[in-house]
Amino acid sequence: GAVVSQHPSRVICKSGTSVKIECRSLDFQATTMFWYRQFPKKSLMLMATSNEGSKATYEQGVEKDKFLINHASLTLSTLTVTSAHPEDSSFYICSAKSNEQFFGPGTRLTVL
Amino acid sequence: KQEVTQIPAALSVPEGENLVLNCSFTDSAIYNLQWFRQDPGKGLTSLLLIQSSQREQTSGRLNASLDKSSGRSTLYIAASQPGDSATYLCAAGMDSSYKLIFGSGTRLLVRP
Repeated sequence: GAVVSQHPSRVICKSGTSVKIECRSLDFQATTMFWYRQFPKKSLMLMATSNEGSKATYEQGVEKDKFLINHASLTLSTLTVTSAHPEDSSFYICSAKSNEQFFGPGTRLTVL
Repeated sequence: KQEVTQIPAALSVPEGENLVLNCSFTDSAIYNLQWFRQDPGKGLTSLLLIQSSQREQTSGRLNASLDKSSGRSTLYIAASQPGDSATYLCAAGMDSSYKLIFGSGTRLLVRP
């Protein structure tokens, strides 16, 4: 099946800093990618839909200025958590759409 | 607003048992229903995808059924093995955009 990668797999940062997470589709082009957030022992919550060449569509309650999404090419979407705080600590998972949806391995963000 | 619920939240069974995981959704107008497996700290692996026009899908020891009218789906695992231990997530797709609404998952432990 198709492969989606995320980088980094794990990041620890200080409160107030910004963190960028990359999501790449390795062997297919994805006009649409999705970003999810997962709290411990909880389900995945869709944050936003990332569309290549246009603005992301954010779900209700997700701050677009806090979670900046850029989908600059057909194989790369980035999520930047700006001015991170401890409550932003979570597991972030992306997915990319071709003929079906493929998920990345996730990025564990810990904000101290 | 679509809500997806999974029962039980956790399940522990001895190796070899057949088991059923349940998923219910409030809005029957789904586009498809998908079952995923998630290992601790990892991303998602798609197991089975059932289109809204289908009643069930099978892959190896796994069988997923869909009853739209009652808002229910089940994942049947035959002859469970310790390697089946993971969290199983169901997700409802509401349209062709691949945007998914996830349940909170069932944590399965298969004891040797």
